Amino acid sequence: AQSVAQPEDQVNVAEGNPLTVKCTYSVSGNPYLFWYVQYPNRGLQFLLKYITGDNLVKGSYGFEAEFNKSQTSFHLKKPSALVSDSALYFCAVRASRGAGGYNKLIFGAGTRLAVHP
Amino acid sequence: EAGVAQSPRYKIIEKRQSVAFWCNPISGHATLYWYQQILGQGPKLLIQFQNNGVVDDSQLPKDRFSAERLKGVDSTLKIQPAKLEDSAVYLCASSRGLAGVGNIQYFGAGTRLSVL
Repeated sequence: AQSVAQPEDQVNVAEGNPLTVKCTYSVSGNPYLFWYVQYPNRGLQFLLKYITGDNLVKGSYGFEAEFNKSQTSFHLKKPSALVSDSALYFCAVRASRGAGGYNKLIFGAGTRLAVHP
Repeated sequence: EAGVAQSPRYKIIEKRQSVAFWCNPISGHATLYWYQQILGQGPKLLIQFQNNGVVDDSQLPKDRFSAERLKGVDSTLKIQPAKLEDSAVYLCASSRGLAGVGNIQYFGAGTRLSVL
């Protein structure tokens, strides 16, 4: 079955420290992977995506993500967290061909990031 | 560039009533998506349009939910009759092409539905 797992409901980090938000996926074939962020009462905003190429992907607001095929992971990272990074983060993967809805995205349940001053 | 517009922002109805949501995608975006986001969960795709044709509606509860995208631009999502479990945020998104080719989906702010 196709799925995305975000094992942590919440991640707490002090401002200025590095942060990691974890994501693992299960999909057949080559994955297309995405990270989105959701602020209160706002829609989801695109952060970055991995399609092919370099395993380290750089995105908006200083975020980056590392694709690891052997571990089927796509963890979101930032070298130095800001209080304004506090939000809900979603990892998503494109559904596999032939699995129904080939072009749709499957989202994880989300991880709440709390950055403390 | 204007973003994805949705209305209303909030809606409270009683069970068995009907409700409709409206979405205006980003100009020029061929693909439009409706998602349901239940509290504490990630968005779940309900229906996907490519222009005015349905690409995927496998997770749309067709006995009570319906959606249309006339003329390949605006879209409406309707629930009739509503159930308590339909309480959620309904998100509309659009992209230039299909998600499968890595096109970015841009989301509206959503409509928060409460069914009492």
